[in-house]
Amino acid sequence: NAGVTQTPKFRVLKTGQSMTLLCAQDMNHEYMYWYRQDPGMGLRLIHYSVGEGTTAKGEVPDGYNVSRLKKQNFLLGLESAAPSQTSVYFCASSYWGEQFFGPGTRLTVL
Amino acid sequence: SQQGEEDPQALSIQEGENATMNCSYKTSINNLQWYRQNSGRGLVHLILIRSNEREKHSGRLRVTLDTSKKSSSLLITASRAADTASYFCATDAHQGAQKLVFGQGTRLTINP
Repeated sequence: NAGVTQTPKFRVLKTGQSMTLLCAQDMNHEYMYWYRQDPGMGLRLIHYSVGEGTTAKGEVPDGYNVSRLKKQNFLLGLESAAPSQTSVYFCASSYWGEQFFGPGTRLTVL
Repeated sequence: SQQGEEDPQALSIQEGENATMNCSYKTSINNLQWYRQNSGRGLVHLILIRSNEREKHSGRLRVTLDTSKKSSSLLITASRAADTASYFCATDAHQGAQKLVFGQGTRLTINP
């Protein structure tokens, strides 16, 4: 099993550009999450999903959108990137309790 | 807002010594979890302790939870160089969605 995978691993955007981060899990988990981690900080929840076709806002949702069309995939979109969105983005999935994390996507917005 | 506050922010010890990290939180919780993050990597789950538990062990890890003080501690015994990482506590205060709120972490360095 691959667990939780994220694509791409690195990306550089210019201000105003858009992009989509893909998260995939092969553990049949209902819950999926997107976090961002800034230097010296813990993770902050952007959006999450409790099942296929559902999404909900987390702590820092502004500037991001998500979709969960298939149970195994959770997409994070940036419609108009801003330098404040420079961060490392982590996806996670869970069934109950323990969350399983992907390796992260390092995004730089110039 | 971050619920968990870890203390200390950084800890440097010699290999073989024990390392203790503390976490305080603000609201009632269902469970508290500890995660490890090696530099440049994703987080790895270490241990989960439920609100009705006071202590839990896993290998060289010992976690305590004091809900009256809203605090938890993680003890790593007989530390190894491979334990060098950042350690985060995360609290789950919600039913159903299991939304975790992470602290800022403790950066642990084990010196050979």
